Amino acid sequence: GAVVSQHPSWVICKSGTSVKIECRSLDFQATTMFWYRQFPKQSLMLMATSNEGSKATYEQGVEKDKFLINHASLTLSTLTVTSAHPEDSSFYICSASVPTGVRNQPQHFGDGTRLSIL
Amino acid sequence: SQQGEEDPQALSIQEGENATMNCSYKTSINNLQWYRQNSGRGLVHLILIRSNEREKHSGRLRVTLDTSKKSSSLLITASRAADTASYFCATEMGQAAGNKLTFGGGTRVLVKP
Repeated sequence: GAVVSQHPSWVICKSGTSVKIECRSLDFQATTMFWYRQFPKQSLMLMATSNEGSKATYEQGVEKDKFLINHASLTLSTLTVTSAHPEDSSFYICSASVPTGVRNQPQHFGDGTRLSIL
Repeated sequence: SQQGEEDPQALSIQEGENATMNCSYKTSINNLQWYRQNSGRGLVHLILIRSNEREKHSGRLRVTLDTSKKSSSLLITASRAADTASYFCATEMGQAAGNKLTFGGGTRVLVKP
């Protein structure tokens, strides 16, 4: 159980294109999802917390107009990289935890999306 | 920003040997979690240890937590080639901080057959 699906797994597109990445919780409802960015051989950096039915909370230094997050349902959050440029090329990963009401729960991660902007 | 550091950054061992990696963090935590990442994939949860726990086991994995030193270790015993991956510690500071995870820099482990 607790499967998080991320789509697409790989995107190559031209500079200036907007790219949408989907993160779905397949067998549970996620009121909160998290979006991370990871550069090669580096750690994960939290970009934003996606809250169902409300605005996302962005980490310091992350441009909210560049990285649009929509969490319209309890099973889907989307990250749109607007007007992407080569410096936006990275590995983007989402995660969610099962809202059991119990503290100390792990997060479940999608398989990531590799974004390459030409 | 990263909560802390992992040590070593890379580790190369022979199959059957044990692998130990360490994680240090800076602030008080609710729990500390260890994750594994295969190349180009998402993260897989390994073990969660709460701030009031000192040691936890899961199969060939053993995790320790020393809150006084703000450090944790992950031991993989009798390693296998399939254990080759990057391993990350992550700290969670609880609901007040939005249950966010802050990751360490990771340890890349290579297990040679």
